[in-house]
Formats: sequence, C-alpha cells, structure tokens
Amino acid sequence: GQSLEQPSEVTAVEGAIVQINCTYQTSGFYGLSWYQQHDGGAPTFLSYNALDGLEETGRFSSFLSRSDSYGYLLLQELQMKDSASYFCAVEYGNKLVFGAGTILRVKS
Amino acid sequence: DTAVSQTPKYLVTQMGNDKSIKCEQNLGHDTMYWYKQDSKKFLKIMFSYNNKELIINETVPNRFSPKSPDKAHLNLHINSLELGDSAVYFCASSPTSGGQETQYFGPGTRLLVL
Repeated sequence: GQSLEQPSEVTAVEGAIVQINCTYQTSGFYGLSWYQQHDGGAPTFLSYNALDGLEETGRFSSFLSRSDSYGYLLLQELQMKDSASYFCAVEYGNKLVFGAGTILRVKS
Repeated sequence: DTAVSQTPKYLVTQMGNDKSIKCEQNLGHDTMYWYKQDSKKFLKIMFSYNNKELIINETVPNRFSPKSPDKAHLNLHINSLELGDSAVYFCASSPTSGGQETQYFGPGTRLLVL
C-alpha cells in the first residue's frame, strides 16, 4: 500500500521562504512529484525527484531523502500568486497516488 | 492551443440521470487518466488507458464506464447518478504509462448531482 502525509495548511508572508513537507510510506518507491493547484484550476506539474538531493527550478526547489522517506517543496521569494494547494505524489503501479494537499496562504 | 480539454466544464443534473464527460488531448500522448477530486480536494485516480487499452481500473462503482475511441480521446459515462458523485472530474494525459511521467491535466468538469 501507500500513504502520504503533508500539512493541511501553511501560511507565510510575501517575500518569505516556505517549506512544505511530505512523508510517504510505499512499497516500490520510484520518485516523488509535486503539483500545484490554484482554486478552481487544474493541477499543474512542478517537479519530480527520483534521486536524493535538491532539484531547483527558479523560485521553487524540491528535495528528496529516500532513506528517510521524506521530501519537501521549498518556495522562495513568495508572491501572492503562490497561494494555492500543493500536492506531493508517489508512483505506485503505473499510477500516481496523491497526498491530501497543503493549502498555502500568502499574506501581504 | 489547449493541450487537454474537457467538456462540459459544468454539469448540474438530477439523481438517477445518466451523463457523459468528454476529454481530448492534442499532445500526442499515449496514456490518459480520469481522476475524481472531492470536496476536501482529495485527488484520486479512477481509470487509465494506454493506447486505447484499459490499464488501471480502481475500485470504482460499475456505474462509471470509461471509453477510449482512440488514444487522443477518453470519455467517462456515468449511469444512475448519485449525490455522492458530486465532485470535480479531471482528465489527464502523459507521454507513457510510467508513473514518473509528468501528467497534464484538463480544466476539470464540475459535476453537481441534485
């Protein structure tokens, strides 16, 4: 089976740095993905980590530690438009299993 | 150009009715998916097709029947709609069936069953 845990809600101020954690339990782990979803919108892909370490894409970075079954999404220089839900997901048997999502609220 | 499109965007219907949702992707991908997102935003896969063949069929009531006439299209037909079917249904596609592939989601169909 598989399960993922991430915080339900995180609040931060504009310009700050925020980290959204994800811990997982799954057999046959291949990699950890992150998706962003704005209210009323569709999930959009942010990043994928198959190997341990940090992947950076602009203001967003994603980290994976396979030995700790843990990853995080790091958002820097927060902007109001970053207010959204963020989902971690693991591959399991040719499908993606999503966490429950973290609502990020960015305040001015 | 819309990569993954769904119709209709909104669907309001009565309990017991039958309805269909259509999805098309113009990305040339081999694999398409249907997801259900409930009111708590939990996103769960329902079905997946690879080159018109069903490869994932989660524990979904058999009132839900997917159909893929070709690899660019995946439709979802729902019989005898129930209140609990109210949700947002997302179609998605990916280049292949590997779970590590980036999935591209359609805009969603908001279904409300009264």
